[in-house]
Amino acid sequence: GAVVSQHPSRVICKSGTSVKIECRSLDFQATTMFWYRQFPKQSLMLMATSNEGSKATYEQGVEKDKFLINHASLTLSTLTVTSAHPEDSSFYICSARVAPGVYGYTFGSGTRLTVV
Amino acid sequence: AQRVTQPEKLLSVFKGAPVELKCNYSYSGSPELFWYVQYSRQRLQLLLRHISRESIKGFTADLNKGETSFHLKKPFAQEEDSAMYYCALRDDKIIFGKGTRLHILP
Repeated sequence: GAVVSQHPSRVICKSGTSVKIECRSLDFQATTMFWYRQFPKQSLMLMATSNEGSKATYEQGVEKDKFLINHASLTLSTLTVTSAHPEDSSFYICSARVAPGVYGYTFGSGTRLTVV
Repeated sequence: AQRVTQPEKLLSVFKGAPVELKCNYSYSGSPELFWYVQYSRQRLQLLLRHISRESIKGFTADLNKGETSFHLKKPFAQEEDSAMYYCALRDDKIIFGKGTRLHILP
């Protein structure tokens, strides 16, 4: 149980275009989802916290107009990279809080974004 | 500021030898600490958490508040332990270390 499905797993897009990444909770309701970014050989960095029905909370240094997050339902959060540039190329991972408690997180399988 | 430090990027250990992956943290208050593992081509998954004091796949980790450490240990490494390991601290969100790649040599 408690599976998060992330789609697509890989995407290549042209510079200047927008890309949408979906994160779905398959068998539970996720009121809170998290979006992470991982550069090569670096740690997972939290980008934003997505709350169902409200605006996302962005971490310092993350451009909210560039990384649009929508959490319109209890099972779906989306991250849209707008006007993508090559420096946006990275690995993006979503996570959901399954239940209250310290162990209640599950992760998506990640999306490899390459901007050419 | 909250911070998690994993000093080793890569750790190579022979099969059957003991393993210790180091993790130090900086946190004001009582931390909640985890170890996550990512096997090749698989998603990140929780390995263990400090409050449960459990042993998963032979791994244990003890929280040492005096040394602000949460090192991951296993007495006898197995080849299937080769993976990327992340130490993490939970505030209202999870803060990850940079990860250590564990490579078990045959």
